[in-house]
Amino acid sequence: NAGVMQNPRHLVRRRGQEARLRCSPMKGHSHVYWYRQLPEEGLKFMVYLQKENIIDESGMPKERFSAEFPKEGPSILRIQQVVRGDSAAYFCASSRTGNSPLHFGNGTRLTVT
Amino acid sequence: KNEVEQSPQNLTAQEGEFITINCSYSVGISALHWLQQHPGGGIVSLFMLSSGKKKHGRLIATINIQEKHSSLHITASHPRDSAVYICAVWETSGSRLTFGEGTQLTVNP
Repeated sequence: NAGVMQNPRHLVRRRGQEARLRCSPMKGHSHVYWYRQLPEEGLKFMVYLQKENIIDESGMPKERFSAEFPKEGPSILRIQQVVRGDSAAYFCASSRTGNSPLHFGNGTRLTVT
Repeated sequence: KNEVEQSPQNLTAQEGEFITINCSYSVGISALHWLQQHPGGGIVSLFMLSSGKKKHGRLIATINIQEKHSSLHITASHPRDSAVYICAVWETSGSRLTFGEGTQLTVNP
């Protein structure tokens, strides 16, 4: 039973480009969460999704960031027109229900040059 | 003031020592997680608890809901326990995890 799969592990983008981060939850998990860890800082909640629904996006920056979890396929975190301040590790986690143990992916490290 | 406070921020121990990491929170919660993050960044969930005490191998986690406090204990510490330990709470008001800043543990041989 594969764990939470995130890809790519490392992503380098130039300022102004788009970044797409993918997360495949564990089998049987329909709840997906995205978190961001800025350099030398703690983890911060970004967004909580269930299949085809955004449940809570209160941690997402208002502009340039979007997330989806379609009926088929992985969850996608999309950052448009990246800036240097977007450089961070982005972690995805999944759970079977809304209040069950979380399983984390290994993260995507985004570097904006 | 952060909603989740951990102490200490940094902890250095000798192999074999008993280690305690503390977590205090100021919000209503439905559950609390202890997470481990190794160099290289992967995160592992160690415990999820809402009352009492849980044990897994050399790790023990306790929570006191009335006092809004949790502790993570490591018995017979080993250099491979060196990692960042993070406390995170599920808030009852919503669907988000709120994280502490983490405790960097270094266990020397």
